Amino acid sequence: AQSVAQPEDQVNVAEGNPLTVKCTYSVSGNPYLFWYVQYPNRGLQFLLKYITGDNLVKGSYGFEAEFNKSQTSFHLKKPSALVSDSALYFCAVRDPLDKLIFGTGTRLQVFP
Amino acid sequence: EAQVTQNPRYLITVTGKKLTVTCSQNMNHEYMSWYRQDPGLGLRQIYYSMNVEVTDKGDVPEGYKVSRKEKRNFPLILESPSPNQTSLYFCASSLGPGDEQYFGPGTRLTVT
Repeated sequence: AQSVAQPEDQVNVAEGNPLTVKCTYSVSGNPYLFWYVQYPNRGLQFLLKYITGDNLVKGSYGFEAEFNKSQTSFHLKKPSALVSDSALYFCAVRDPLDKLIFGTGTRLQVFP
Repeated sequence: EAQVTQNPRYLITVTGKKLTVTCSQNMNHEYMSWYRQDPGLGLRQIYYSMNVEVTDKGDVPEGYKVSRKEKRNFPLILESPSPNQTSLYFCASSLGPGDEQYFGPGTRLTVT
């Protein structure tokens, strides 16, 4: 079955430090992978996606994600965290039937 | 302005009283989806539509209906709501299932 796992419910990081939010996936065929962010009381916003090509994908707000086929992972990263990055982050994968499967979300807390 | 609108934003209703949540997009997108967001479960896809008159079940379709008579509109219908359908609902649209999704602001539904 197709699935997405976000193993951490919450990630805490100090402002200015690098951050990583983890995501692993299981899907048949070549994966389409996405990251979305949700700020309080808002809908989700697209950050970045991987379809093919370069394993390092750059997205909005200075975020990037690294696709690793052998580890079936798509971790979200940022070199220097900001307090304003504090939000709920979702990883998602498109399955072969064109459904979208989201992870359970990781709450990122950036402390000043 | 490109956007996805949902109405109502908040709704409190009673068990068994039929309701409809409207969703409209102004971007001429082919793909539209409905999701529910529950704590600890992330986003789960209820139904999706690849185009007019084409709808498919997502992961949690029980108790819901949808229709896609026009490209821009994708209403979610609860024929006989039950308390376990209390949730935060999001509509989203994109050019296709492999493209960036634009999310509506959400509808918080409470069924008593």
